[in-house]
Amino acid sequence: QSVLTQPASVSGSPGQSISISCTGPNTDGDDYDFVAWYQQHPGKVPKILIFEVSHRAPGVPDRFSGSRSGNSASLTISELQPEDEADYYCSTYTRSKTLFGDVTKLTVL
Amino acid sequence: QVQLLESGGAVVQPGGSLRLSCAASGFTFNKFGMHWVRLAPGKGLEWLTLISHDGSNEYYADSVKGRFTISRDDAKKTVYLQMTGLRPDDTALYYCAKSWWALLRSPIDHWGQGTPVTVSS
Repeated sequence: QSVLTQPASVSGSPGQSISISCTGPNTDGDDYDFVAWYQQHPGKVPKILIFEVSHRAPGVPDRFSGSRSGNSASLTISELQPEDEADYYCSTYTRSKTLFGDVTKLTVL
Repeated sequence: QVQLLESGGAVVQPGGSLRLSCAASGFTFNKFGMHWVRLAPGKGLEWLTLISHDGSNEYYADSVKGRFTISRDDAKKTVYLQMTGLRPDDTALYYCAKSWWALLRSPIDHWGQGTPVTVSS
């Protein structure tokens, strides 16, 4: 069980929007300024989607967006497509460690 | 293009040791920190360790501190993970991964395909 809590599963229909939350412990530092999101399809390696809370990695469609409020971050996927069905992880990264959240399985109905 | 090729995964008995290797290519190896991350069956990603670009700093997750050691050989463009005191809950697919930026504080941007480790008697 990670200190970064994500929902175990979310679902949506094609064309809809969904959000995945990522909540961690309260800290005084800037940990939540450095949040990344990864997508992993079964049998594939993780792919970075978002870094520094809201910046899209090169080649990532603008349907994917990130945000943050306090010690909670969110990944929003708009205009859901079948190929978005995958596992998603949030991650915080500091100079001395990286943490991954509990996996969220996205099902596109 | 960036390539990371892990090797060394095996079936090992509890209490045993194993050394994983990760051969890197397609980027200036000695400029980037390197990580090991694992994915256990039915679980999520778990970050294990990071070594700085020059090997001067190593960082570990509490779950492996004192049992696992990361190292790198820049001449061979290879990063290693020495694992000792292996336990059944170390069973996982072990990924080698690269820091995106030439900074200690950086997300991971590239991953190898992983090498499987099974700890079982």
